Amino acid sequence: DAKTTQPPSMDCAEGRAANLPCNHSTISGNEYVYWYRQIHSQGPQYIIHGLKNNETNEMASLIITEDRKSSTLILPHATLRDTAVYYCIAPVLFGNEKLTFGTGTRLTIIP
Amino acid sequence: GAVVSQHPSWVICKSGTSVKIECRSLDFQATTMFWYRQFPKQSLMLMATSNEGSKATYEQGVEKDKFLINHASLTLSTLTVTSAHPEDSSFYICSARRQMNTGELFFGEGSRLTVL
Repeated sequence: DAKTTQPPSMDCAEGRAANLPCNHSTISGNEYVYWYRQIHSQGPQYIIHGLKNNETNEMASLIITEDRKSSTLILPHATLRDTAVYYCIAPVLFGNEKLTFGTGTRLTIIP
Repeated sequence: GAVVSQHPSWVICKSGTSVKIECRSLDFQATTMFWYRQFPKQSLMLMATSNEGSKATYEQGVEKDKFLINHASLTLSTLTVTSAHPEDSSFYICSARRQMNTGELFFGEGSRLTVL
């Protein structure tokens, strides 16, 4: 069973930052948080992953709380193409990435 | 970037026939591949872990004799749905992990199976 909690849906205005929260309170010290998204009828697309430090790449930023029990995925300037289901996946052991998907957050970008 | 490709992307078959779906890692070697199934409006459910050169490991409730998995090389894993029935209609997705692990799992585009 998935061990994360995400809001089922969110809306965000085009051009604004989209902030997607995730609770993963059972995570332990050497376990990662992964984020993927799935656009309708496509395979999941990797976004970012992190352990305890904040991470940033060309797609997004990942902010992990100091106690590591929650994180926030930030899409800095959302576009219509960012409309998708976003999955926060935790805990994940590096080198044993058998991912368990929860129900995710359906993000809709509003023009 | 790394790409995982599935074939076919969609297939329609008659009940009782078998269907093979291929998953290829195009520019990296994958010691491990994973097979998922996704029903409409639901999340992905892991079916099995495919390891190159050894038997696949199936998740609880997944029939290994019905969903045959073969990972014969470092770039190819196949899933065969045997004696398919309408309830097997689903979106099948594979993912692959690089041999030199960077922590990123790559997913294929998915294969939509419709059993009539």
